[in-house]
Amino acid sequence: DAGVIQSPRHEVTEMGQEVTLRCKPISGHNSLFWYRQTMMRGLELLIYFNNNVPIDDSGMPEDRFSAKMPNASFSTLKIQPSEPRDSAVYFCASSPRGGYYEQYFGPGTRLTVT
Amino acid sequence: GNSVTQMEGPVTLSEEAFLTINCTYTATGYPSLFWYVQYPGEGLQLLLKATKADDKGSNKGFEATYRKETTSFHLEKGSVQVSDSAVYFCAQRPAGGTSYGKLTFGQGTILTVHP
Repeated sequence: DAGVIQSPRHEVTEMGQEVTLRCKPISGHNSLFWYRQTMMRGLELLIYFNNNVPIDDSGMPEDRFSAKMPNASFSTLKIQPSEPRDSAVYFCASSPRGGYYEQYFGPGTRLTVT
Repeated sequence: GNSVTQMEGPVTLSEEAFLTINCTYTATGYPSLFWYVQYPGEGLQLLLKATKADDKGSNKGFEATYRKETTSFHLEKGSVQVSDSAVYFCAQRPAGGTSYGKLTFGQGTILTVHP
């Protein structure tokens, strides 16, 4: 199995630009999670989906962040407009059976906003 | 709300030393507990887990016991190796409710093992 796939692996952008991060979960997994990792705040859950439906988005920082899951094999996290404080590593994870079992993490996208 | 507190790092040990990383939690009910490990440049990987009180999770020489009375899930290894150098995260998942898939992580503990 290819595991969770994230793209791009690295993104450098200027403040004010739109950024789109992509994730392909493991085939057959019906739960998908977006996390943000920073030195200051650690690992934070932003949003998670079950069967393509957002279940908990209480961690989404503000309206500049949005996430979609149009089908079972693809999700996006969009930041518009981006700000320097959004610089972080963003992880996507997937899990079978509604998140009851282990979460499998992707390699992450390192975002730098200048 | 639910939270996880880990001992502050970084932790630096010599090879073959004994490792303990403390983890305590606050939760409603009886959550499932996990240890994840993150190697440099990679995502997190599940190391071990326990789903009920007194369960012991174990993997790759690491162990942790779910202690309900002390709300703890301390990670231990009898003899660490250089290859164990990584960041270790303790996490909990609610026993039920609408967000039962949601993990809450501790802040992570950096472990460095020297030859």
